[in-house]
Amino acid sequence: NAGVTQTPKFRVLKTGQSMTLLCAQDMNHEYMYWYRQDPGMGLRLIHYSVGEGTTAKGEVPDGYNVSRLKKQNFLLGLESAAPSQTSVYFCASSPGTGGGRTYEQYFGPGTRLTVT
Amino acid sequence: GNSVTQMEGPVTLSEEAFLTINCTYTATGYPSLFWYVQYPGEGLQLLLKATKADDKGSNKGFEATYRKETTSFHLEKGSVQVSDSAVYFCALWNYGGATNKLIFGTGTLLAVQP
Repeated sequence: NAGVTQTPKFRVLKTGQSMTLLCAQDMNHEYMYWYRQDPGMGLRLIHYSVGEGTTAKGEVPDGYNVSRLKKQNFLLGLESAAPSQTSVYFCASSPGTGGGRTYEQYFGPGTRLTVT
Repeated sequence: GNSVTQMEGPVTLSEEAFLTINCTYTATGYPSLFWYVQYPGEGLQLLLKATKADDKGSNKGFEATYRKETTSFHLEKGSVQVSDSAVYFCALWNYGGATNKLIFGTGTLLAVQP
């Protein structure tokens, strides 16, 4: 099992350009998440999904869109990149709720995005 | 609301020293508690977890006990190694809450010197 994978690993964008970050998981997890990590701020949730075809806003959703057309994939889009979106982006997945399970999340290796 | 507070870093220790990283939380009900570790250039990995009061999570020599009376989940290790240098995140999941979110602390950088 590959776990959670993210593409690309690195990207440099100019202000105003658009791009899509891809997250894929092979653990059949229901829930998927996108976070950004900035120095001194820990992880902040951008958007999440509780199942195929669903999405919901997290703490910092502005400037981002997401889609979950297939259960195993969760895409994060930046329509018009801004320097404030320079960050490291992490995707995560979890089994979801129910059955007395604990809800640990499994993280991908991250995408380092620089917007100039 | 739910929140997690961690001690600020960096924490700098010599090899074989004792480690404590403090974590306290605010939550209603009975949250599950986690410690995640992030090694340089990598994503977060689950280190240990505890799902109810007085549970002790342990892994790779690290331990943390879920203390409901003090709302704490401090991370400890008896003898750190250089390879333990990383950022450590405390987190909580409040089952039955209004959201399906893992709440993270801001992270504590640990640097272990040989």
